[in-house]
Amino acid sequence: DIQMTQSPSAMSASVGDRVTITCRASQGISNYLAWFQQKPGRAPKRLIYAASNLQSGVPSRFSGSGSATEFALTISSLQPEDFATYYCLQHNSYPLTFGGGTKVEI
Amino acid sequence: QLQLQESGPGLVKPSETLSLTCSVSGGSISAYYWTWVRQPPGKGLEWIGYIYHTGSTNYNPSLKSRVTISIDTSKNHFSLKLRSVTAADTAVYYCVREGPTGDLDYWGQGTLVTVSS
Repeated sequence: DIQMTQSPSAMSASVGDRVTITCRASQGISNYLAWFQQKPGRAPKRLIYAASNLQSGVPSRFSGSGSATEFALTISSLQPEDFATYYCLQHNSYPLTFGGGTKVEI
Repeated sequence: QLQLQESGPGLVKPSETLSLTCSVSGGSISAYYWTWVRQPPGKGLEWIGYIYHTGSTNYNPSLKSRVTISIDTSKNHFSLKLRSVTAADTAVYYCVREGPTGDLDYWGQGTLVTVSS
């Protein structure tokens, strides 16, 4: 199985901050990586697919980068509605595996 | 707009079988891969497996011995069975589409299944 190591596991931030979350794959996964946002009691919502493609309807302050084993999700200016938990997902090979999550708190 | 909706018992006894169904509306189930993902309370996400409309399946090795995913294209739904459950199987279970980009694009709202006597 491909292990996805996400960091940090939690972080405190303020409105307007630039936030970067990273995900490292245990082996190369090309660009087969997606990022999700999850709020309490809700299903995950896809933000980024193919490492850097913004999902339709997602604000442009979200961006994704990286390839092979190193990936990042950046929020350019954190908004109140962005406080949530973020997960990466590799879909290069089965079983699909998620990162452990990053909780972004005030 | 594609919508997925999970249904099934919210409480299952230890050693019994967890059974859930996912109803798909707004699109045909006869394309793409249809998956199950679960999330124990306060923890991360785990991919359980998928089924294709042909009936082809792929399961997470960690659960493979206990899992069966089936599909009924005439009813536009697919199902999950997890046998011999324990408290460790308590989780929110999501049904999800693996879409054209190969990742998980449409999610159901999730249903909490508690394993307890």
